[in-house]
Amino acid sequence: DAGVTQSPTHLIKTRGQQVTLRCSPKSGHDTVSWYQQALGQGPQFIFQYYEEEERQRGNFPDRFSGHQFPNYSSELNVNALWLGDSALYLCASSWGQPNEQFFGPGTRLTVL
Amino acid sequence: ILNVEQSPQSLHVQEGDSTNFTCSFPSSNFYALHWYRWETAKSPEALFVMTLNGDEKKKGRISATLNTKEGYSYLYIKGSQPEDSATYLCSSDGGATNKLIFGTGTLLAVQP
Repeated sequence: DAGVTQSPTHLIKTRGQQVTLRCSPKSGHDTVSWYQQALGQGPQFIFQYYEEEERQRGNFPDRFSGHQFPNYSSELNVNALWLGDSALYLCASSWGQPNEQFFGPGTRLTVL
Repeated sequence: ILNVEQSPQSLHVQEGDSTNFTCSFPSSNFYALHWYRWETAKSPEALFVMTLNGDEKKKGRISATLNTKEGYSYLYIKGSQPEDSATYLCSSDGGATNKLIFGTGTLLAVQP
């Protein structure tokens, strides 16, 4: 079992650009959550996908959007990047309750 | 308490010392409390999930307790080892909200 995988590992973009991050969940998991961790903070919940639908959303603007595919993998898209979007983006997968989430290694996004 | 709060922010101990951290969370709409260990350059690793008031969980030298009425959890490490050095995150799960609210973590450094 490969666990949760994310790609790419690192990414550098410039302001105004768009980015797509990818996540493959742990085998058997059907729910994918995305988190943003800025320097010095705990992970902040962005949104969660289940059955290809956004089930819950945190306090992030519409520039942050996502998608879940039939094989449960997921993408996080961020449009109109600005400097403050520089962070580690974590993906976590889970199945059922109580919502024990397994995390990927993250994608480090730097916006210049 | 509106957010999940962890203390101390960082901790430096000597090998062999026992230590503990605190996680405070909103006691209303509580469903589950999660503890994670996050080593540098690795994925956060789930340690415990606790749901019931008075729950106690143990994994080797690490144990955790839960008080849902007053909204806190303690994580204990007995006889700290250098390999215990990591950031320890706790998160509260609102159940029906399907999202984890994380604290900012406690950074533990164990000196050999």
